[in-house]
Amino acid sequence: GESVGLHLPTLSVQEGDNSIINCAYSNSASDYFIWYKQESGKGPQFIIDIRSNMDKRQGQRVTVLLNKTVKHLSLQIAATQPGDSAVYFCAENSGSWGKLQFGAGTQVVVTP
Amino acid sequence: DGGITQSPKYLFRKEGQNVTLSCEQNLNHDAMYWYRQDPGQGLRLIYYSQIVNDFQKGDIAEGYSVSREKKESFPLTVTSAQKNPTAFYLCASSIGGGANVLTFGAGSRLTVL
Repeated sequence: GESVGLHLPTLSVQEGDNSIINCAYSNSASDYFIWYKQESGKGPQFIIDIRSNMDKRQGQRVTVLLNKTVKHLSLQIAATQPGDSAVYFCAENSGSWGKLQFGAGTQVVVTP
Repeated sequence: DGGITQSPKYLFRKEGQNVTLSCEQNLNHDAMYWYRQDPGQGLRLIYYSQIVNDFQKGDIAEGYSVSREKKESFPLTVTSAQKNPTAFYLCASSIGGGANVLTFGAGSRLTVL
């Protein structure tokens, strides 16, 4: 999930298991959502996006699910690998020009 | 390779000094953005520019200034009026406005001594 503050929520996952990262968004008018991955000291990298007219989208090893009824977004990572260790952010576009709103992020730690 | 280049990667500043962070992109993107990131928090929008010679304030513009004289460049100046400037600064660009993916640079870490 998402929270505000100095301590990110942390998801600890064993290598090879599936990861599910959750995000609650705030604006029911949001029509576009993105997941980013950020490794320590680097800029965020695009993972996958989804528009509000869809409820599921799949990429390579990743799936994004969108539940507009409860304003919930999730990112599923299949067969989690050590290289998946990072902070994952969801972002929503609420209609204002180009202004993505970012969540606080979830720290994913992959253990051997 | 196309991308966004931010410099410097690390910058130290004394209180009362202005500093300018560079952001250059060769993606031919019209839109550019500056975000600030603090530990354990999401990204907050400082300024954005939809087109050359035009820019708008984001959510936390106070104490910052920008210019957009060229399509490729969107420098950010952190002025002495910014009360708490120590942070990680991220520049991004996108093809256009609306629902588009932002491509980020590697970031610049500013520390005020």
